[in-house]
Amino acid sequence: KAGVTQTPRYLIKTRGQQVTLSCSPISGHRSVSWYQQTPGQGLQFLFEYFSETQRNKGNFPGRFSGRQFSNSRSEMNVSTLELGDSALYLCASSLGGPVATDTQYFGPGTRLTVL
Amino acid sequence: AQSVTQLGSHVSVSEGALVLLRCNYSSSVPPYLFWYVQYPNQGLQLLLKYTSAATLVKGINGFEAEFKKSETSFHLTKPSAHMSDAAEYFCAVILSGNTGKLIFGQGTTLQVKP
Repeated sequence: KAGVTQTPRYLIKTRGQQVTLSCSPISGHRSVSWYQQTPGQGLQFLFEYFSETQRNKGNFPGRFSGRQFSNSRSEMNVSTLELGDSALYLCASSLGGPVATDTQYFGPGTRLTVL
Repeated sequence: AQSVTQLGSHVSVSEGALVLLRCNYSSSVPPYLFWYVQYPNQGLQLLLKYTSAATLVKGINGFEAEFKKSETSFHLTKPSAHMSDAAEYFCAVILSGNTGKLIFGQGTTLQVKP
């Protein structure tokens, strides 16, 4: 089975621009979660989508948004980029069932640099 | 608020020595606990998880962790370190009912010296 794929792997943007990142989950997985990883704040949860609906949300400003398509692929969008948005963005997919029997599998991440 | 604390941002051991990475959680209700590993320029890989089935959890690559409710701890151990174990390790929790929302500790970088 193919793993979680994220595109693009690297991205350079300037302040004020917007960016869209893509995540393709493992086949059969219906849940996709997004995380931001920075040296200062560590790994922080952004949001989770399950069957095209946002099921959980972290504490990020409204500039961060996401969506999920009927094939479970997910995109996240960041508008009006700030320098502090430079980070590794990771997505994880899972079946979306009970935690006791479910496992999140992570993609390699998209490295976003904001200049 | 639910959180996890990893004691020690950097741990250095010699090859063949015991690996001990510490994780404490704060909650009155035992959560679901995880250990993930991240190699340079890669995503996270699950090492093991605790879901209340057994307090001693065995994972991949020879790692194991013991859930101790009295100490609110979930420390990760490996009897003998290999050079390939050098990586960053993250302890994480999920609160019951919050599927898909992992809350991570700050991470511990493990260095293995020859």
